[in-house]
Amino acid sequence: SAVISQKPSRDICQRGTSLTIQCQVDSQVTMMFWYRQQPGQSLTLIATANQGSEATYESGFVIDKFPISRPNLTFSTLTVSNMSPEDSSIYLCSVEASLGGSRYEQYFGPGTRLTVT
Amino acid sequence: ELKVEQNPLFLSMQEGKNYTIYCNYSTTSDRLYWYRQDPGKSLESLFVLLSNGAVKQEGRLMASLDTKARLSTLHITAAVHDLSATYFCAVETSGSRLTFGEGTQLTVNP
Repeated sequence: SAVISQKPSRDICQRGTSLTIQCQVDSQVTMMFWYRQQPGQSLTLIATANQGSEATYESGFVIDKFPISRPNLTFSTLTVSNMSPEDSSIYLCSVEASLGGSRYEQYFGPGTRLTVT
Repeated sequence: ELKVEQNPLFLSMQEGKNYTIYCNYSTTSDRLYWYRQDPGKSLESLFVLLSNGAVKQEGRLMASLDTKARLSTLHITAAVHDLSATYFCAVETSGSRLTFGEGTQLTVNP
């Protein structure tokens, strides 16, 4: 398995500001992802964080709004830029971790609960 | 566009009863996850189903996958209060991307 930590765990921010969320994994992983969970909703994939190259964004998400960094195989950041109340959500980092051989599984971090006022 | 539909979305059941949650999806996939989420918490991986006919069991929960019907089920046997949570299925597509169902909010009443 993989142990994932996120910082901050929660924050309250003013509209128009930006917040950077950090995701740290205890082992090297190839695949890292960022998801959003809006209040009372399911999870939606924002982007795949690729090491050494630009992130791959899903439809409806753009780099200017959600810039992502992936400087190495254990760390990634997601920035929520120019925030509005609609950005209030839980942001979760996930990783695909090898279980040995060709087996792998996806694990989620504890999430960052963001409230924009 | 891949669609993943769960039903029911809300489930209230009595302790000791059995019930099944269904997860239908609209495109081919050979990997399906079931996760549990407690209020205010992150997701806990319950099962990974890898192939047609896969069945996995852990305690009172059993999950199965029928890739031909594009259907997975999560069966709850003799429910207990501790199983109260929201359960999500998620279908993996290219690039290991997950598309989630809407979630089933389960409440088990004494």
